[in-house]
Amino acid sequence: NAGVTQTPKFRVLKTGQSMTLLCAQDMNHEYMYWYRQDPGMGLRLIHYSVGEGTTAKGEVPDGYNVSRLKKQNFLLGLESAAPSQTSVYFCASSISEGFLYEQYFGPGTRLTVT
Amino acid sequence: AQSVAQPEDQVNVAEGNPLTVKCTYSVSGNPYLFWYVQYPNRGLQFLLKYITGDNLVKGSYGFEAEFNKSQTSFHLKKPSALVSDSALYFCAVRDGPGGYQKVTFGTGTKLQVIP
Repeated sequence: NAGVTQTPKFRVLKTGQSMTLLCAQDMNHEYMYWYRQDPGMGLRLIHYSVGEGTTAKGEVPDGYNVSRLKKQNFLLGLESAAPSQTSVYFCASSISEGFLYEQYFGPGTRLTVT
Repeated sequence: AQSVAQPEDQVNVAEGNPLTVKCTYSVSGNPYLFWYVQYPNRGLQFLLKYITGDNLVKGSYGFEAEFNKSQTSFHLKKPSALVSDSALYFCAVRDGPGGYQKVTFGTGTKLQVIP
C-alpha cells in the first residue's frame, strides 16, 4: 500500500495564480483532511471530509476550496493565491470517526507564493 | 474551547538517558489525546493515543505516555533515548463525546538526542 500520497511535492506560485493539490489514499478510509503547517503554529485544519461527496470547514478555510468526488481522492484548491498561503500542506486520512482514530499523513506539499 | 500546550520548543537529551516531552491540555469534557512524530521532510506519524482506560499508554518505537487527569497532562516518555528518536513531536487533543469535533495540535517540540 502506498498509504497517503500528495501531488505535487513542491510548487511556487505568483500572487493571484490558482492551483490544485491532489491527495490520494489507498486504505479505503472514510475521513480525509487538509492541514497547513506553519512555524510555531502546529497544524491547523483547513477543510475535511467525512465521506465521498461531503466536505466541511475547519479552522482556517478562507481562500481554499475542496472537493471529494471519489472516496480515495481529496482535492484542495487555491483560486487566487496570496503570500499568506505560503506554507507546508499536509493531507491525512482516518478509517472512521476521524477525531477518535489516528490519522495517516501524506509527505506534504511545500507551497511558496511570491 | 479545547487547547493543548507544549511548553518546550526543544528538548535535548543524551543517548541512553530517559526522555520526557511535555504536553498539557484543556477541554470541557473528557479528553482524547494523541502523540505524533514528524521526521524531517515527512508527514506526521501516529505514536499512541489515550481514549479511556489505563493511564499509562504504550505506543510505537518504545514510547509511552502517562495521562494525568488532575494535572491535565499527557507527557511522552521513553526509558532510553536513541539518536534516531531525534524529530519533532506533536501532542493533540480532542474534547470528549459531544465536544468540539476536531483535533487540536500543539505547536510541536523538537527532540534532539545527543550521541
